Amino acid sequence: NAGVTQTPKFRVLKTGQSMTLLCAQDMNHEYMYWYRQDPGMGLRLIHYSVGEGTTAKGEVPDGYNVSRLKKQNFLLGLESAAPSQTSVYFCASSKIRQETQYFGPGTRLLVL
Amino acid sequence: SQQGEEDPQALSIQEGENATMNCSYKTSINNLQWYRQNSGRGLVHLILIRSNEREKHSGRLRVTLDTSKKSSSLLITASRAADTASYFCATAGEKLTFGTGTRLTIIP
Repeated sequence: NAGVTQTPKFRVLKTGQSMTLLCAQDMNHEYMYWYRQDPGMGLRLIHYSVGEGTTAKGEVPDGYNVSRLKKQNFLLGLESAAPSQTSVYFCASSKIRQETQYFGPGTRLLVL
Repeated sequence: SQQGEEDPQALSIQEGENATMNCSYKTSINNLQWYRQNSGRGLVHLILIRSNEREKHSGRLRVTLDTSKKSSSLLITASRAADTASYFCATAGEKLTFGTGTRLTIIP
């Protein structure tokens, strides 16, 4: 089992460009999450999904969109990147909401 | 807003010593979880303790929960260089909220 995988590992964008981060899990988990991690801020929830075809806003959703067309995949999109979105992005999944979460290795994004 | 807050922010100890980290929170919770993050990697779940439990063990890890004081502690016994990492508590109330972490350095 690969667990949770994320692509790409690292990306540099110019302000205004768009991109999609892909998260995949092979554990058949219903719940999936996107977080961003910034120095001194801990992990902050961007969006989450409670099942295929569903998404919901987290703590910091502005500037991001998500889609969960397949149970195993959770996509995070940036339509028009801003320097404030420079961060490390983590995807996670869980079998039961608010219990053990399994994290991917992260995507480091730099917006110039 | 942050729910769990870890203390201290950073901790350096000699290999073989015990390390204790604390987590305080503000509202009622269903469970509290501890995670480890090695530099440049994703978080790894260590242990989950439910609100009706007071203590839990896993290998060299011991977690306590005091719901009356709204606090938890993580004890790592007989520390090793490989324990060097950041440790986060996450509190599960209406949502799962992560603290800002304790950076633990084990000096060989």
